Amino acid sequence: DAGVIQSPRHEVTEMGQEVTLRCKPISGHNSLFWYRQTMMRGLELLIYFNNNVPIDDSGMPEDRFSAKMPNASFSTLKIQPSEPRDSAVYFCASSFVGPLHFGNGTRLTVT
Amino acid sequence: GIQVEQSPPDLILQEGANSTLRCNFSDSVNNLQWFHQNPWGQLINLFYIPSGTKQNGRLSATTVATERYSLLYISSSQTTDSGVYFCAVEGSMENTDKLIFGTGTRLQVFP
Repeated sequence: DAGVIQSPRHEVTEMGQEVTLRCKPISGHNSLFWYRQTMMRGLELLIYFNNNVPIDDSGMPEDRFSAKMPNASFSTLKIQPSEPRDSAVYFCASSFVGPLHFGNGTRLTVT
Repeated sequence: GIQVEQSPPDLILQEGANSTLRCNFSDSVNNLQWFHQNPWGQLINLFYIPSGTKQNGRLSATTVATERYSLLYISSSQTTDSGVYFCAVEGSMENTDKLIFGTGTRLQVFP
């Protein structure tokens, strides 16, 4: 299996632009997570899906952030409009009743 | 919510030395995992260990759930062990797969 696949690996955008991050979980995994990592706040859980349904989005910082999982093999995290304080590494991870597997992350820089 | 504390925050070792990393958590857990974030930023799952002891090569982990702690042992450390080690837990009240991460232990192994 190729593991969790995220794209793009790097994204540089200007403040106010829309940003879309993409994730393909491991086939057969039924839970998908979006995490954000910064030096100041460490690894924070943003949102969690189970069987494509959002279960807990309490970590989503504000309405500018939204996430979807239209099917078992694809999820997106969208930021609109983006702000410099959104700069971070965004990780997608998936699991099936056991170990959590992470993608390589998307490093987002908002200027 | 559940609190996760890791110690020590930083650790410097010479190659060949052994080390013990600790993870304390504030409430009972359903799920506990250890991760290694390498210098390239990749997060690798080391152990899924809600209780008991597991070993994988030079690494082993023990979780004593009743006393709310877990230990990660690294023996005969190598420079490739450098990086940040995270403990992550799911509180037993959650009844989800939602993992909360500690702030990590940064390990540097010098030749």
